[in-house]
Amino acid sequence: DAKTTQPPSMDCAEGRAANLPCNHSTISGNEYVYWYRQIHSQGPQYIIHGLKNNETNEMASLIITEDRKSSTLILPHATLRDTAVYYCIVRVAAGGTSYGKLTFGQGTILTVHP
Amino acid sequence: SAVISQKPSRDICQRGTSLTIQCQVDSQVTMMFWYRQQPGQSLTLIATANQGSEATYESGFVIDKFPISRPNLTFSTLTVSNMSPEDSSIYLCSAMNTFGSGTRLTVV
Repeated sequence: DAKTTQPPSMDCAEGRAANLPCNHSTISGNEYVYWYRQIHSQGPQYIIHGLKNNETNEMASLIITEDRKSSTLILPHATLRDTAVYYCIVRVAAGGTSYGKLTFGQGTILTVHP
Repeated sequence: SAVISQKPSRDICQRGTSLTIQCQVDSQVTMMFWYRQQPGQSLTLIATANQGSEATYESGFVIDKFPISRPNLTFSTLTVSNMSPEDSSIYLCSAMNTFGSGTRLTVV
């Protein structure tokens, strides 16, 4: 799986948008970009994923650049409960021999402050 | 998405003993995954468990230390054998895009 690079930490004011960047310059054509987060002492929580188009759900938006070498996770109105470690992971699509496996990096510690 | 129940949630074990962690999924899934999260670290995949076949282990993990069972499409167990303090970690199972809440293991 392609490697990802994320900043180790970021801060955000409550109510503002949190924009978390991720670089994945070696991504392959059949690999998706996934985002998870882990709130302290809990299991990781799936947020969103995408292949090449921008995606939005009730939790966040995912913006993928046209060359697919980087992406940004956007939490539109961050709350204190969004404080967590955010992981950007590149993962093969269904049917690949390593489908389902997740390779976690160190992620970005997002701290939302009042 | 699936709902995963994992137990025990935590345990304190004596060195040299073994602990079996159970993971129950509320729907049938082909693959289940076991991860380890050492203190202050990110998650590392231990093995992939497919029903009806032996688990596939990642580099650095062996079956004798982490035997896995997968008797049906909704259940799996991970055993941490002959434990030492270095095995103190959080162990998590996963299926589809969902993770269990983890088992916090302390070996004394």
